[in-house]
Amino acid sequence: DAGVIQSPRHEVTEMGQEVTLRCKPISGHDYLFWYRQTMMRGLELLIYFNNNVPIDDSGMPEDRFSAKMPNASFSTLKIQPSEPRDSAVYFCASSLTSYNEQFFGPGTRLTVL
Amino acid sequence: QKEVEQNSGPLSVPEGAIASLNCTYSDRVSQSFFWYRQYSGKSPELIMSIYSNGDKEDGRFTAQLNKASQYVSLLIRDSQPSDSATYLCAVTGGGGAQKLVFGQGTRLTINP
Repeated sequence: DAGVIQSPRHEVTEMGQEVTLRCKPISGHDYLFWYRQTMMRGLELLIYFNNNVPIDDSGMPEDRFSAKMPNASFSTLKIQPSEPRDSAVYFCASSLTSYNEQFFGPGTRLTVL
Repeated sequence: QKEVEQNSGPLSVPEGAIASLNCTYSDRVSQSFFWYRQYSGKSPELIMSIYSNGDKEDGRFTAQLNKASQYVSLLIRDSQPSDSATYLCAVTGGGGAQKLVFGQGTRLTINP
């Protein structure tokens, strides 16, 4: 299996622009998670899906953030409009069940100027 | 009180020695416990999972869980310079909760 795939790996954009991050989970995994990692706050869960349905989005910082999972093999995290404080590494992870190990993608390093 | 607490380090250990990493958690009904290793600029990589009290060994790694004390640890035997990384403790909630809560991580340096 190819593991969790994320794109792009790096994104540099200007404040106010729309940013879309993409994730392909491991085939057969029912759960998909979006995390954000910064030096100050560590690794934070933003939102997670079970069978393509958003279950808990309480970690989404503001209405500027939205996430979708139109099918079992694809999810997006969108930031509109982006702000410099959104600069972070965004990870996508997937797991077979809720209590199983989560496997992380390589991450997207986002820089908002 | 943070849900998952780790000593942020840095923890410095000589090559060949045992590195001991500790983690405490606040949710008494937590059911699943994980240790991830993260190299600088890379994503977290799962190295150990443990679900019941006691020890679980995998090669040079041993995870220890004590639910009564709400404590989980990771021992690395025969430490190698390649073990230098940040180690993240992660805990899932109990009672049907499905989130994975991460500690801040302990930065480990193995000195040759």
